[in-house]
Amino acid sequence: DIILTQSPLSLAVSPGEPASISCRPSQSLLHRNGHNYLDWYLQKPGQPPQLLIYLASNRASGVPDRFSGSGSGTFFTLKISRVEPEDVGVYYCMQALQSPWTFGQGTKLEI
Amino acid sequence: QLHLQESGPGLVKPTETLLLTCTVSGASLTSPNHDWVWIRQSPGRGLEWIGNIYNGGTTTYNRSLRSRVTISIDTSKNHFALRLTSVTAADTAVYYCARTIMLRSINYYGVAVWGQGTTVTVSS
Repeated sequence: DIILTQSPLSLAVSPGEPASISCRPSQSLLHRNGHNYLDWYLQKPGQPPQLLIYLASNRASGVPDRFSGSGSGTFFTLKISRVEPEDVGVYYCMQALQSPWTFGQGTKLEI
Repeated sequence: QLHLQESGPGLVKPTETLLLTCTVSGASLTSPNHDWVWIRQSPGRGLEWIGNIYNGGTTTYNRSLRSRVTISIDTSKNHFALRLTSVTAADTAVYYCARTIMLRSINYYGVAVWGQGTTVTVSS
């Protein structure tokens, strides 16, 4: 199974400040079609995860442009350019390249 | 607007079989390139992918659960189901159904739609 290691596991950020979370898979997530099969999700308290980024750098529909994803192969980053209070929750990366799909352990963002 | 709603027993006894259904509104379960997904979440195991069903009945499962899990589709009821046999306390979790769009070997659009989740406790 592909193991995803996120860092940090928690961070506290002031509103308006940037934030960055990394995700390191145990093997490359680059498919032969050129896409990296890495998603980012945010889970707010009491809610299911919501998709932020798919294929490493594509923002999902309705996601604010302060969220961006980058990276390839074995290192990926989620960046929030200016954190808003509603960004509080746990952020997960997930790989869909290889069965079983696997998730990172989560990064808790607090304001 | 696609909406998914899980339903099932909140409490199951050890060794019994868990059956959950996910009712889909706003899309057809036979839509091409749609994968219907089960994922669970527990404090001890985090988020865990259980399996997908697509193309009207093709399935792929997490090998850690493969001997105990079956995902099926009932187009007459527009729902898909999860059957998990021989449950133990380790199967206590919030179970989510979800939908992704997957063009195998070509493209993928993330798990964009989730149900609200249903809590299942395994206890005697």
